[in-house]
Amino acid sequence: AQSVTQLGSHVSVSEGALVLLRCNYSSSVPPYLFWYVQYPNQGLQLLLKYTSAATLVKGINGFEAEFKKSETSFHLTKPSAHMSDAAEYFCAVKSNFGNEKLTFGTGTRLTIIP
Amino acid sequence: EAGVAQSPRYKIIEKRQSVAFWCNPISGHATLYWYQQILGQGPKLLIQFQNNGVVDDSQLPKDRFSAERLKGVDSTLKIQPAKLEDSAVYLCASSLEFLGTEAFFGQGTRLTVV
Repeated sequence: AQSVTQLGSHVSVSEGALVLLRCNYSSSVPPYLFWYVQYPNQGLQLLLKYTSAATLVKGINGFEAEFKKSETSFHLTKPSAHMSDAAEYFCAVKSNFGNEKLTFGTGTRLTIIP
Repeated sequence: EAGVAQSPRYKIIEKRQSVAFWCNPISGHATLYWYQQILGQGPKLLIQFQNNGVVDDSQLPKDRFSAERLKGVDSTLKIQPAKLEDSAVYLCASSLEFLGTEAFFGQGTRLTVV
C-alpha cells in the first residue's frame, strides 16, 4: 500500500525566506502525488499535483514541487515566504491503478516569522 | 461551479448520542470520500464510494459508523453511539473517476462529543 511521510511537523521561516516542506512517498510504482493546504477552520485546497508528466510541477500562490523518483521525494518549495502562507500543509498519494485510494501524510504546520 | 457542500458546520453532542453528517459532492463526480481529521493529525480515510458502491471502508469503525450514498450523489455519514474519541472534523471530498484527478474538499463538520 502506498504512503507518504512528512518530515517535520512544524516549520518556521522568516518572511521572504525560502520555504521547504519535505515529503517522501512509498509506492511500488510511481504514484500520483498532491500537496494540499489547510487554513484554520477550512477544508483542504489543492496547491499542486504530479501525474507523471513534468517532474517539476508549479502550483498556486508561487509554490512548486519536484518529483524525484531516485529519492522517492516530492518536496514543496516557495522562493519567498509571505505571511499569508502560514497554514497546515499536507502531502498526499494516490495509486495509479486500482481503487485510487487517496492517503495523506501527517501534515506540516508552517509558521512565518515577521 | 459549486463546490462540495457539507452540513452542519458544527455539532456538539453528548457521548452515546447519535449524529449524522450530510455531503453533496460536485456535480458529475463519481468518487466520494469521507475523512476523519483529529486535531493535529492528517485526514484519515473512513470510506470511499465509486458512484453508489463502496470501494474502501477498511478503516471505518463499523460497529458505530455507517455511511450511504443514495443514487450515487448525496451521502450521509452516521455515528451511533458516539464516543469521546470521535471528536474530530469530518471532511467530505469528491473527484472525477479518472486516474490522477484531484479530490475537492468541503469545509468539513466539526464534531465535539462531551
